[in-house]
Amino acid sequence: DAKTTQPNSMESNEEEPVHLPCNHSTISGTDYIHWYRQLPSQGPEYVIHGLTSNVNNRMASLAIAEDRKSSTLILHRATLRDAAVYYCILTPKSQGNLIFGKGTKLSVKP
Amino acid sequence: GAVVSQHPSRVICKSGTSVKIECRSLDFQATTMFWYRQFPKKSLMLMATSNEGSKATYEQGVEKDKFLINHASLTLSTLTVTSAHPEDSSFYICSARRGGSYNSPLHFGNGTRLTVT
Repeated sequence: DAKTTQPNSMESNEEEPVHLPCNHSTISGTDYIHWYRQLPSQGPEYVIHGLTSNVNNRMASLAIAEDRKSSTLILHRATLRDAAVYYCILTPKSQGNLIFGKGTKLSVKP
Repeated sequence: GAVVSQHPSRVICKSGTSVKIECRSLDFQATTMFWYRQFPKKSLMLMATSNEGSKATYEQGVEKDKFLINHASLTLSTLTVTSAHPEDSSFYICSARRGGSYNSPLHFGNGTRLTVT
Protein backbone atom coordinates (compact mmCIF):
# COMPACT_ATOMS: atom_id res chain seq x y z
CA ASP A 1 0.00 0.00 0.00
CA ALA A 2 1.21 3.49 -0.80
CA LYS A 3 2.18 5.19 2.42
CA THR A 4 1.68 8.72 3.66
CA THR A 5 3.43 10.59 6.45
CA GLN A 6 1.71 13.28 8.48
CA PRO A 7 2.59 15.13 11.67
CA ASN A 8 0.89 13.63 14.71
CA SER A 9 -0.65 16.90 15.80
CA MET A 10 -0.97 20.57 14.95
CA GLU A 11 -2.45 23.60 16.64
CA SER A 12 -4.16 26.56 15.12
CA ASN A 13 -5.89 29.69 16.26
CA GLU A 14 -9.48 30.29 15.36
CA GLU A 15 -10.04 32.25 12.15
CA GLU A 16 -6.47 31.74 10.99
CA PRO A 17 -5.44 29.61 8.02
CA VAL A 18 -4.15 26.10 8.63
CA HIS A 19 -1.77 24.19 6.40
CA LEU A 20 -1.75 20.43 7.01
CA PRO A 21 1.16 18.71 5.26
CA CYS A 22 1.36 15.17 3.89
CA ASN A 23 4.32 13.37 2.38
CA HIS A 24 3.78 10.55 -0.07
CA SER A 25 7.11 9.99 -1.77
CA THR A 26 6.16 6.55 -3.16
CA ILE A 27 3.02 7.76 -4.93
CA SER A 28 2.40 6.27 -8.34
CA GLY A 29 1.02 7.97 -11.39
CA THR A 30 -2.59 6.85 -10.98
CA ASP A 31 -2.88 7.30 -7.21
CA TYR A 32 -5.36 9.94 -6.16
CA ILE A 33 -4.71 11.94 -2.99
CA HIS A 34 -7.74 11.98 -0.70
CA TRP A 35 -8.27 13.87 2.53
CA TYR A 36 -10.81 12.89 5.14
CA ARG A 37 -11.39 14.15 8.63
CA GLN A 38 -12.91 12.55 11.68
CA LEU A 39 -14.59 14.52 14.41
CA PRO A 40 -14.77 12.91 17.86
CA SER A 41 -17.15 9.94 18.05
CA GLN A 42 -18.17 10.23 14.40
CA GLY A 43 -17.36 8.44 11.17
CA PRO A 44 -14.84 10.03 8.80
CA GLU A 45 -16.00 12.78 6.49
CA TYR A 46 -14.71 13.41 2.98
CA VAL A 47 -12.89 16.72 2.61
CA ILE A 48 -11.25 16.89 -0.80
CA HIS A 49 -9.26 14.93 -3.34
CA GLY A 50 -7.04 15.49 -6.35
CA LEU A 51 -4.63 13.89 -8.79
CA THR A 52 -2.19 16.50 -10.11
CA SER A 53 -3.76 19.95 -10.10
CA ASN A 54 -4.63 22.01 -7.07
CA VAL A 55 -8.26 21.70 -6.04
CA ASN A 56 -10.68 23.96 -4.22
CA ASN A 57 -14.07 23.25 -2.71
CA ARG A 58 -16.28 24.83 -0.08
CA MET A 59 -14.46 23.07 2.73
CA ALA A 60 -10.80 23.42 1.82
CA SER A 61 -8.08 23.67 -0.79
CA LEU A 62 -5.62 20.99 -1.78
CA ALA A 63 -2.19 22.01 -3.00
CA ILE A 64 -0.25 19.24 -4.72
CA ALA A 65 3.48 19.52 -5.29
CA GLU A 66 4.68 19.41 -8.86
CA ASP A 67 6.42 16.06 -8.31
CA ARG A 68 3.32 14.82 -6.42
CA LYS A 69 5.45 13.58 -3.56
CA SER A 70 3.72 15.84 -1.10
CA SER A 71 0.50 17.74 -0.68
CA THR A 72 -1.01 20.28 1.69
CA LEU A 73 -4.56 20.62 2.88
CA ILE A 74 -5.44 24.23 3.46
CA LEU A 75 -8.27 25.36 5.71
CA HIS A 76 -8.61 29.05 4.95
CA ARG A 77 -10.18 30.12 8.25
CA ALA A 78 -10.13 27.55 11.00
CA THR A 79 -13.16 27.32 13.24
CA LEU A 80 -13.59 25.39 16.46
CA ARG A 81 -15.64 22.87 14.50
CA ASP A 82 -12.60 22.08 12.37
CA ALA A 83 -10.91 20.41 15.33
CA ALA A 84 -10.57 16.81 14.15
CA VAL A 85 -8.14 14.16 12.99
CA TYR A 86 -7.23 14.75 9.36
CA TYR A 87 -6.22 11.80 7.22
CA CYS A 88 -4.26 12.00 3.98
CA ILE A 89 -4.83 8.80 1.99
CA LEU A 90 -3.65 7.57 -1.39
CA THR A 91 -6.13 5.62 -3.47
CA PRO A 92 -4.50 3.32 -6.01
CA LYS A 93 -6.42 2.43 -9.13
CA SER A 94 -6.49 -1.24 -8.12
CA GLN A 95 -7.95 -0.63 -4.68
CA GLY A 96 -11.47 0.42 -3.78
CA ASN A 97 -11.05 0.69 -0.05
CA LEU A 98 -9.21 3.29 2.01
CA ILE A 99 -6.27 2.42 4.22
CA PHE A 100 -6.05 4.92 7.07
CA GLY A 101 -2.80 6.02 8.66
CA LYS A 102 -2.56 7.82 11.98
CA GLY A 103 -3.54 11.23 10.64
CA THR A 104 -2.95 14.66 12.12
CA LYS A 105 -4.91 15.75 15.14
CA LEU A 106 -5.77 19.39 14.66
CA SER A 107 -6.58 21.50 17.70
CA VAL A 108 -8.14 24.91 17.23
CA LYS A 109 -7.78 27.50 19.97
CA PRO A 110 -10.35 30.26 20.43
CA GLY B 1 -27.31 15.22 4.80
CA ALA B 2 -26.11 11.72 5.60
CA VAL B 3 -25.88 9.38 2.66
CA VAL B 4 -24.85 6.33 4.67
CA SER B 5 -26.91 5.41 7.69
CA GLN B 6 -25.68 3.07 10.40
CA HIS B 7 -27.77 1.53 13.14
CA PRO B 8 -27.62 1.28 16.08
CA SER B 9 -25.32 4.11 17.07
CA ARG B 10 -24.61 2.53 20.41
CA VAL B 11 -25.15 -0.94 21.84
CA ILE B 12 -24.27 -2.69 25.07
CA CYS B 13 -24.46 -6.44 25.17
CA LYS B 14 -23.47 -9.27 27.45
CA SER B 15 -20.54 -11.50 26.76
CA GLY B 16 -21.51 -14.47 24.60
CA THR B 17 -24.39 -12.78 22.81
CA SER B 18 -24.48 -11.65 19.19
CA VAL B 19 -25.00 -8.14 17.89
CA LYS B 20 -26.10 -7.07 14.43
CA ILE B 21 -25.12 -3.71 12.95
CA GLU B 22 -26.84 -2.36 9.85
CA CYS B 23 -25.37 -0.10 7.20
CA ARG B 24 -27.61 1.46 4.57
CA SER B 25 -26.84 3.61 1.57
CA LEU B 26 -29.69 6.09 1.56
CA ASP B 27 -29.97 7.44 -1.95
CA PHE B 28 -27.66 5.32 -4.02
CA GLN B 29 -26.91 1.70 -4.69
CA ALA B 30 -23.70 0.24 -3.36
CA THR B 31 -22.44 -3.05 -4.71
CA THR B 32 -19.53 -2.78 -2.31
CA MET B 33 -19.40 -1.58 1.27
CA PHE B 34 -16.47 -1.50 3.66
CA TRP B 35 -16.43 -2.28 7.36
CA TYR B 36 -13.88 -0.69 9.68
CA ARG B 37 -13.10 -1.01 13.37
CA GLN B 38 -11.53 1.66 15.51
CA PHE B 39 -10.13 1.26 19.01
CA PRO B 40 -9.82 4.29 21.31
CA LYS B 41 -7.22 6.82 20.13
CA LYS B 42 -6.29 4.60 17.22
CA SER B 43 -6.87 4.87 13.51
CA LEU B 44 -9.49 3.00 11.51
CA MET B 45 -8.65 -0.55 10.56
CA LEU B 46 -10.29 -2.16 7.56
CA MET B 47 -12.01 -5.40 8.57
CA ALA B 48 -13.71 -6.56 5.42
CA THR B 49 -15.20 -5.66 2.08
CA SER B 50 -18.86 -6.51 1.71
CA ASN B 51 -19.94 -7.52 -1.79
CA GLU B 52 -23.59 -7.57 -2.83
CA GLY B 53 -24.67 -11.05 -3.77
CA SER B 54 -21.40 -12.74 -2.93
CA LYS B 55 -19.10 -13.51 -0.03
CA ALA B 56 -17.32 -10.80 1.84
CA THR B 57 -13.57 -10.41 1.59
CA TYR B 58 -11.89 -10.31 4.98
CA GLU B 59 -8.59 -8.66 5.86
CA GLN B 60 -5.83 -10.76 7.31
CA GLY B 61 -6.39 -11.51 10.97
CA VAL B 62 -10.16 -10.88 10.93
CA GLU B 63 -12.17 -14.00 11.76
CA LYS B 64 -14.91 -14.46 9.20
CA ASP B 65 -16.90 -16.79 11.48
CA LYS B 66 -16.90 -14.22 14.22
CA PHE B 67 -17.72 -11.18 12.13
CA LEU B 68 -20.47 -12.30 9.78
CA ILE B 69 -21.18 -9.98 6.90
CA ASN B 70 -24.29 -10.13 4.75
CA HIS B 71 -24.87 -7.84 1.79
CA ALA B 72 -28.28 -9.00 0.65
CA SER B 73 -29.35 -5.92 -1.27
CA LEU B 74 -27.76 -3.00 -3.07
CA THR B 75 -28.52 -0.67 -0.17
CA LEU B 76 -27.96 -2.80 2.92
CA SER B 77 -25.00 -4.56 4.46
CA THR B 78 -25.01 -6.06 7.95
CA LEU B 79 -22.19 -6.97 10.29
CA THR B 80 -22.96 -9.48 13.03
CA VAL B 81 -20.51 -9.84 15.88
CA THR B 82 -21.11 -13.38 17.08
CA SER B 83 -20.42 -14.59 20.60
CA ALA B 84 -19.14 -11.19 21.56
CA HIS B 85 -16.41 -10.81 24.15
CA PRO B 86 -15.15 -7.71 25.96
CA GLU B 87 -12.19 -7.46 23.57
CA ASP B 88 -14.70 -6.94 20.73
CA SER B 89 -15.74 -3.66 22.31
CA SER B 90 -14.90 -1.06 19.72
CA PHE B 91 -16.25 1.56 17.33
CA TYR B 92 -17.48 -0.08 14.12
CA ILE B 93 -17.88 2.07 11.02
CA CYS B 94 -19.22 1.23 7.58
CA SER B 95 -18.70 3.07 4.32
CA ALA B 96 -19.81 2.99 0.71
CA ARG B 97 -18.82 4.69 -2.51
CA ARG B 98 -21.54 6.52 -4.37
CA GLY B 99 -19.77 6.64 -7.73
CA GLY B 100 -18.31 3.71 -9.59
CA SER B 101 -14.85 5.16 -10.01
CA TYR B 102 -12.04 4.27 -7.61
CA ASN B 103 -11.40 7.95 -7.00
CA SER B 104 -14.97 8.75 -5.96
CA PRO B 105 -15.20 9.69 -2.29
CA LEU B 106 -16.27 7.15 0.31
CA HIS B 107 -19.23 8.05 2.48
CA PHE B 108 -19.10 6.85 6.05
CA GLY B 109 -21.77 6.04 8.56
CA ASN B 110 -21.62 7.64 11.98
CA GLY B 111 -20.40 4.47 13.56
CA THR B 112 -21.66 1.99 16.15
CA ARG B 113 -20.08 1.95 19.56
CA LEU B 114 -20.20 -1.60 20.87
CA THR B 115 -19.60 -2.31 24.53
CA VAL B 116 -19.47 -5.93 25.63
CA THR B 117 -19.84 -6.47 29.36
